[in-house]
Amino acid sequence: GEDVEQSLFLSVREGDSSVINCTYTDSSSTYLYWYKQEPGAGLQLLTYIFSNMDMKQDQRLTVLLNKKDKHLSLRIADTQTGDSAIYFCADPRLGSGYALNFGKGTSLLVTP
Amino acid sequence: DAGVIQSPRHEVTEMGQEVTLRCKPISGHDYLFWYRQTMMRGLELLIYFNNNVPIDDSGMPEDRFSAKMPNASFSTLKIQPSEPRDSAVYFCASSPRDRDPYNEQFFGPGTRLTVL
Repeated sequence: GEDVEQSLFLSVREGDSSVINCTYTDSSSTYLYWYKQEPGAGLQLLTYIFSNMDMKQDQRLTVLLNKKDKHLSLRIADTQTGDSAIYFCADPRLGSGYALNFGKGTSLLVTP
Repeated sequence: DAGVIQSPRHEVTEMGQEVTLRCKPISGHDYLFWYRQTMMRGLELLIYFNNNVPIDDSGMPEDRFSAKMPNASFSTLKIQPSEPRDSAVYFCASSPRDRDPYNEQFFGPGTRLTVL
């Protein structure tokens, strides 16, 4: 099977940077995704990176991709209490153009 | 656009009862996905449809689960008979085919199912 692995919990203080890590197994992935789930809600696409890129920056978010190690990370600068949520890494399911494999999600807790 | 609509938002039922979850995807989206989320197993893909046709149902746990998409604007996920281990949050998501080179899925708010 195709597994996407993430650590389950991360706690940071407000104002610090958060780094959420993910490893994936399908080396043919074209796009890799980060979704965010706020309490009581569905998932929302947060950002994505194309596989020919090493880094993508979008305001406070930085995505780093290491294709050799199949490692993806999401860095949130100046983390705020509103960033507390579950963050999911996802890659396309092998053999399917439109279905995604999601990791179990990393619960980020931001404390004042 | 109202987004993906799911009903009911909460369902409490007794073991052995039939449960039907409903989803209305975003208009014009070609793909519809059903997921189940639990603490133990995370987010699992149960089944997905393309243009109302089931493409991959390998994630459906067992024969007690069935899903239909009779038209482009409606899908159901049925569990019969329900068991306590089916308790979870069930999400529906839809995706347009040609929106962008990448694939964004739009999730509904979920149905929290509790089977006693």
